Amino acid sequence: AQSVTQLGSHVSVSEGALVLLRCNYSSSVPPYLFWYVQYPNQGLQLLLKYTSAATLVKGINGFEAEFKKSETSFHLTKPSAHMSDAAEYFCAVSDKGTGGYQKVTFGTGTKLQVIP
Amino acid sequence: GAGVSQTPSNKVTEKGKYVELRCDPISGHTALYWYRQSLGQGPEFLIYFQGTGAADDSGLPNDRFFAVRPEGSVSTLKIQRTERGDSAVYLCASSLSLAETQYFGPGTRLLVL
Repeated sequence: AQSVTQLGSHVSVSEGALVLLRCNYSSSVPPYLFWYVQYPNQGLQLLLKYTSAATLVKGINGFEAEFKKSETSFHLTKPSAHMSDAAEYFCAVSDKGTGGYQKVTFGTGTKLQVIP
Repeated sequence: GAGVSQTPSNKVTEKGKYVELRCDPISGHTALYWYRQSLGQGPEFLIYFQGTGAADDSGLPNDRFFAVRPEGSVSTLKIQRTERGDSAVYLCASSLSLAETQYFGPGTRLLVL
């Protein structure tokens, strides 16, 4: 079964500083990988996804993630944090569920705090 | 366009009661998913519908949980004899078809007293 591990349940960065949220996956086959963001009292919003094309994936709001097979990692980065980036971020991996759909398995999440 | 909507946004019930949670997917999306997110955890898969049929219900925790999608659009998640451990946020997502991106609703926060 696929799984993801997010290192650090809470991360604090200063406004304007680099954001780095770590995610490692476990998969027996090339996976699809995702980063979702969840703002308070809102649903999950897709930031970006990797589907075996380019290893560097660019998403919305200036975020990007790099798929590194040798390290089984898919870390999320943003060069300069904004106050509006404060939210909870979930890394996820999918495999083929019954019928071929994307059965998505989520990590436990990382809460990002941005300090003014 | 309208996203995935879920009602109610909050539900408080007593242990042993029956609850229904509703999900309205994005128009035209054939696939619908239910997840449960407990405090401090990521969402966990419950069930997936392709059209009207439940293609994979392997995530339902026990037979107190049941979901339907009779006309291939709106879905209802039903929980019988609720327990305090059922307290969580129940998320619904839909996608255009198999292997497409899942779009999530805001969730229903269920509290069982």
